[in-house]
Amino acid sequence: DTAVSQTPKYLVTQMGNDKSIKCEQNLGHDTMYWYKQDSKKFLKIMFSYNNKELIINETVPNRFSPKSPDKAHLNLHINSLELGDSAVYFCASSPLKGKASYEQYFGPGTRLTVT
Amino acid sequence: AQSVTQPDIHITVSEGASLELRCNYSYGATPYLFWYVQSPGQGLQLLLKYFSGDTLVQGIKGFEAEFKRSQSSFNLRKPSVHWSDAAEYFCAVAADNYGQNFVFGPGTRLSVLP
Repeated sequence: DTAVSQTPKYLVTQMGNDKSIKCEQNLGHDTMYWYKQDSKKFLKIMFSYNNKELIINETVPNRFSPKSPDKAHLNLHINSLELGDSAVYFCASSPLKGKASYEQYFGPGTRLTVT
Repeated sequence: AQSVTQPDIHITVSEGASLELRCNYSYGATPYLFWYVQSPGQGLQLLLKYFSGDTLVQGIKGFEAEFKRSQSSFNLRKPSVHWSDAAEYFCAVAADNYGQNFVFGPGTRLSVLP
């Protein structure tokens, strides 16, 4: 009964390739997120998305694009992978009631290694 | 811009000792504050949160945190640490009115000596 799941758990690929990471949540949440955690464990939000609005962190390269086929899924597509993209990517979701912020539920992460 | 600092990169305590992890934030409005824990190779798990009301909040696994507006702090405490508490701890603040953008601190790694 995993709440937020990600596939794959590990992804090793070469520079220049295009790859996708999938995320699914079964919590019925309205908002989903992608985070990047670098080698120093620093967590940085990349995107937040609900069915009405995509908020993009302005520092995220446009090689990264979120795709949401439905409310329960938010996939991350990465084009022309670079060495600096190596990191752990976390998907998260949260309910959004009115303007209140609630806790985020995180997936287990996808460790991306670009060689 | 909103920010979160965790002054201690790494803390080591003995099992059974008390623990306090520091967190300071910078945010103009009333903050929504959170503590998360990340065990090795795992995702993040919410320990506790503060939205309003009582400034001392209780969380899971015996953790508590106290919000002090005058000090812009939200320190995490536990009276007696267990070996299984060894992990990375992140403080976070919700950075906009809709709470959709979290800003995480750099994390504090906790090691527990037997």
